[in-house]
Amino acid sequence: GESVGLHLPTLSVQEGDNSIINCAYSNSASDYFIWYKQESGKGPQFIIDIRSNMDKRQGQRVTVLLNKTVKHLSLQIAATQPGDSAVYFCAENGREYGNKLVFGAGTILRVKS
Amino acid sequence: EAGVAQSPRYKIIEKRQSVAFWCNPISGHATLYWYQQILGQGPKLLIQFQNNGVVDDSQLPKDRFSAERLKGVDSTLKIQPAKLEDSAVYLCASSSRTSLGYNEQFFGPGTRLTVL
Repeated sequence: GESVGLHLPTLSVQEGDNSIINCAYSNSASDYFIWYKQESGKGPQFIIDIRSNMDKRQGQRVTVLLNKTVKHLSLQIAATQPGDSAVYFCAENGREYGNKLVFGAGTILRVKS
Repeated sequence: EAGVAQSPRYKIIEKRQSVAFWCNPISGHATLYWYQQILGQGPKLLIQFQNNGVVDDSQLPKDRFSAERLKGVDSTLKIQPAKLEDSAVYLCASSSRTSLGYNEQFFGPGTRLTVL
């Protein structure tokens, strides 16, 4: 069925360290994946995306890795800052979904100063 | 560019009462979405509009939820009557168009509904 899950519900890191947030997806037909950041009281905000024909994509301080063999997605945040504290969601999309996103449950990232 | 606007930001009602949420998407965005986000979970799509037509409402509880987008711009989501399990944040999102590929969705701040 449609489901996107996360391995770790809460991640605490020290400011300046790198963070890795993981996500497992179950639909092998999904071909587009997105990471969203949601701060308290706000809607999800797009961070980075990746298509299934890629295995790595880099942005500013963030990198997304896709392993289709094991249906695993990860978000790496370099030099984590207090402003990175939020809930992070991975979401998947496939041609059969149209423009519908299927979200996972989320991981809470806490950055300690 | 102004973002997606939603109101009210917070609403507290008793069960069996009615409630309505309003959304104004980003100007020019043809596609509008309503999501329900229960505490501790990711958003779940309730309904998707393309202009003023419904594209997907497969997960909308139609016995109590309704939504409209009469002029293809603003949208209203209504719950009548509300149940305790409807307590959630209701998010509105919009995107520029729907095509073969994915188009980025921009989310509003949401309306937090508490049903007592």
